[in-house]
Amino acid sequence: DAKTTQPTSMDCAEGRAANLPCNHSTISGNEYVYWYRQIHSQGPQYIIHGLKNNETNEMASLIITEDRKSSTLILPHATLRDTAVYYCIVVTDSWGKLQFGAGTQVVVTP
Amino acid sequence: DTAVSQTPKYLVTQMGNDKSIKCEQNLGHDTMYWYKQDSKKFLKIMFSYNNKELIINETVPNRFSPKSPDKAHLNLHINSLELGDSAVYFCASSRDRSYTFGSGTRLTVV
Repeated sequence: DAKTTQPTSMDCAEGRAANLPCNHSTISGNEYVYWYRQIHSQGPQYIIHGLKNNETNEMASLIITEDRKSSTLILPHATLRDTAVYYCIVVTDSWGKLQFGAGTQVVVTP
Repeated sequence: DTAVSQTPKYLVTQMGNDKSIKCEQNLGHDTMYWYKQDSKKFLKIMFSYNNKELIINETVPNRFSPKSPDKAHLNLHINSLELGDSAVYFCASSRDRSYTFGSGTRLTVV
């Protein structure tokens, strides 16, 4: 599976949009980009995933560049409850093994 | 209804003991996983079962033995517990790249 690179941490003001970048320059054509988050000591929570097209759901938007080498997760209106570690993961095989990296620690401040 | 449930939530035990952690999912998913999150907060996959068959074993010591009596259950038995086994263990299930995690079992070996 392709490796991902994310910033270690970032801060965001409450009510503002949070843009979380992820590089996956070695991604191949059949690999999906997934985003999960883990709020302190809880189980990872699914946010969104995509292959080529941009995606949006009730939690976030996922913007994937045309060459698919990077993506951005957008939390449109960050709240204090969005404070968490956010993981960008590239998944290949049919069994869907999720390999977690270090993720980005996002802190939303009042 | 809890989608992926693990028991117990907390487990404190002495070195050398044998213990089991149970996991059940009511989502109708075909694949189940065990992940370990150590003190450094890295989430690592340990095992994966698809329809009761082992498909992933990530070089986990053979003191760890997963058992899947049916596709809704994946239990983890650990023999001769060591201090280094202290961690949070997460169960997860998936179907068609939709993953759901349990809330974790915090194992402390003293």
